[in-house]
Amino acid sequence: AQKITQTQPGMFVQEKEAVTLDCTYDTSDPSYGLFWYKQPSSGEMIFLIYQGSYDQQNATEGRYSLNFQKARKSANLVISASQLGDSAMYFCAMREHGSQGNLIFGKGTKLSVKP
Amino acid sequence: KAGVTQTPRYLIKTRGQQVTLSCSPISGHRSVSWYQQTPGQGLQFLFEYFSETQRNKGNFPGRFSGRQFSNSRSEMNVSTLELGDSALYLCASSLAQGGHNEQFFGPGTRLTVL
Repeated sequence: AQKITQTQPGMFVQEKEAVTLDCTYDTSDPSYGLFWYKQPSSGEMIFLIYQGSYDQQNATEGRYSLNFQKARKSANLVISASQLGDSAMYFCAMREHGSQGNLIFGKGTKLSVKP
Repeated sequence: KAGVTQTPRYLIKTRGQQVTLSCSPISGHRSVSWYQQTPGQGLQFLFEYFSETQRNKGNFPGRFSGRQFSNSRSEMNVSTLELGDSALYLCASSLAQGGHNEQFFGPGTRLTVL
C-alpha cells in the first residue's frame, strides 16, 4: 500500500491565485514528520515546509502553508499568490520516527502557473 | 552557509562499468542519505549514513554501496552498471537521524548508462 498519495498528477493555476496540492499519508507510527519539496526542471529538490505529527498548529513559511488534518491523514500544501517561478514538480514526503532515516515520497504533482 | 554539493553533476557510462558519486553535506550535518529518482519508480531511498555507519538501507541490490568519511562526506558506488541504473541520484543531509529532522538536498548527479 502506498504510504504517500498525491492524487493530482498535474495542475494549472493562474498567476497571483492560490492553489492547493493534495497529499494523504498512511502510517501507524505516532511520531512522524511531513515535508513538501519543490523540484524545478534543473532537478534540485528544494525544501519548502515541514509539519511534525505533534505540532498543534499548521506550519507556514512565507507563501507556503500546510493544511494538516491529522485525523484524516492529510497534509495539503497551499501556495498563495502563485508566481511564474512556482511552476515545478511538488513532492510530499513522510519520515517516520521509527524508520530512523528515510523519506518516503509521493509520485508528485506538476504545477504549471499561467500568466 | 554552503548547501549540499554533489559531484559530478553529469555522468555517462556504459553497461558493466562502475561509478562513484560524491556528496558533501551542509557543514555540521552528520546524516547523509541517498535517493534514486527515475521516471518509472519515482524517488526511492537507497541508504543513510550517520557517524560513518550505514544506519538504514533501501531495497536495492548489493551492486549499490556507499560509505561515509569522518568529515561526514559520503560516496556511493554502483558496480556492474545496468541500463536501468540511469537516473538522477540525489544526496540529502540532515543534522541527525530521526523523523523530525529536515533533509536538505543537493543538485543531484544525473547518470546515463549506455
